[in-house]
Amino acid sequence: EAGVVQSPRYKIIEKKQPVAFWCNPISGHNTLYWYRQNLGQGPELLIRYENEEAVDDSQLPKDRFSAERLKGVDSTLKIQPAELGDSAVYLCASSYRGWPGSNTEAFFGQGTRLTVV
Amino acid sequence: AQSVTQPDIHITVSEGASLELRCNYSYGATPYLFWYVQSPGQGLQLLLKYFSGDTLVQGIKGFEAEFKRSQSSFNLRKPSVHWSDAAEYFCAVGARGGGNKLTFGTGTQLKVEL
Repeated sequence: EAGVVQSPRYKIIEKKQPVAFWCNPISGHNTLYWYRQNLGQGPELLIRYENEEAVDDSQLPKDRFSAERLKGVDSTLKIQPAELGDSAVYLCASSYRGWPGSNTEAFFGQGTRLTVV
Repeated sequence: AQSVTQPDIHITVSEGASLELRCNYSYGATPYLFWYVQSPGQGLQLLLKYFSGDTLVQGIKGFEAEFKRSQSSFNLRKPSVHWSDAAEYFCAVGARGGGNKLTFGTGTQLKVEL
């Protein structure tokens, strides 16, 4: 079974340019997460989707970051314009949420390493 | 708010030696607890998880962890470390009913000496 697929793996852009990341979750997983991992730190949640609805986006910097999950399957995360401080690894994860309060563990993709110069 | 502390930033052990990585969490009720491993340039791989039941949980690659409610800890152990275990290890706590939103610690970098 294929895991969580992210692309691209690496991206180098100049500041003020836009950038987009794509994620395809594990088939059947209705919950999708975007995390950001700064160098030497643990991942931090940016946004969580249940199906196509963003249910937790409190940590997403909405002035420059946007995300969508049309049709409740794959998702894109966009930054426009990028700043130097956005350099990080962006991780996508997915899990299955069944009855209220239940969850399976989250499975992570390999991430996209973004460098803003 | 939930939080995780991994007090050891770096740990070095000799191959074949035992290993214990520490993790302390803060959460108002019984949490979901996880240990993930990350090799350079890779995503996070789940080693083991605690949801409920037996407080000693077994994971992949010979790892185990014990949930101690009284100490708010979930330490990771392995009786004999292999050189391939060198990686970064993250402890995470998830809120029950919170859609599995994970809060991660800052990680422990494990180096294995041959």
